[in-house]
Amino acid sequence: DGGITQSPKYLFRKEGQNVTLSCEQNLNHDAMYWYRQDPGQGLRLIYYSQIVNDFQKGDIAEGYSVSREKKESFPLTVTSAQKNPTAFYLCASSVIRVNTGELFFGEGSRLTVL
Amino acid sequence: AQRVTQPEKLLSVFKGAPVELKCNYSYSGSPELFWYVQYSRQRLQLLLRHISRESIKGFTADLNKGETSFHLKKPFAQEEDSAMYYCALISNNNDMRFGAGTRLTVKP
Repeated sequence: DGGITQSPKYLFRKEGQNVTLSCEQNLNHDAMYWYRQDPGQGLRLIYYSQIVNDFQKGDIAEGYSVSREKKESFPLTVTSAQKNPTAFYLCASSVIRVNTGELFFGEGSRLTVL
Repeated sequence: AQRVTQPEKLLSVFKGAPVELKCNYSYSGSPELFWYVQYSRQRLQLLLRHISRESIKGFTADLNKGETSFHLKKPFAQEEDSAMYYCALISNNNDMRFGAGTRLTVKP
């Protein structure tokens, strides 16, 4: 069953802790993305990667880190430096020519900082 | 700066009425614009792209470069159209930028 999988769906974290969100795809897509979704603000780009071992910052990269060691995996770490980490996080992937416009999204991960 | 603006957070219409979801953009160059939709308990998915000039589920969207708009329209709304709609464009960096979204409710 092809697709993009995010885990965990729900995650709770204490202040000061780092947490890593997993994103895996078996669509053989080159490009992968992380977005943050907040009510009334839509989707804001955190990081994206168009090829293995390379990634670029999006609009709100501060307090986040990523890696792209494998084509199918693009984990996102929310560090303690992120001032307002409670949010819904969406991962997506696409073929390398982004101008096809079709991003495939995961179901999302909801992070709550206590 | 490349930006997508959706001025309406909420839009409510009755079944059978026309619906228009507004989208304005700022972009230097020729923009590539899209509409994405998220139905309740489903993943965000592509609805249509301007380059295809297609009609999907009765929805159309025309790119108006003069007004920098890409409004989504449907002549007769159905209850199953109730969803969250996002306008998006591809930036100069080849990444996808989204608007804040409009929640459409179609009442019976």
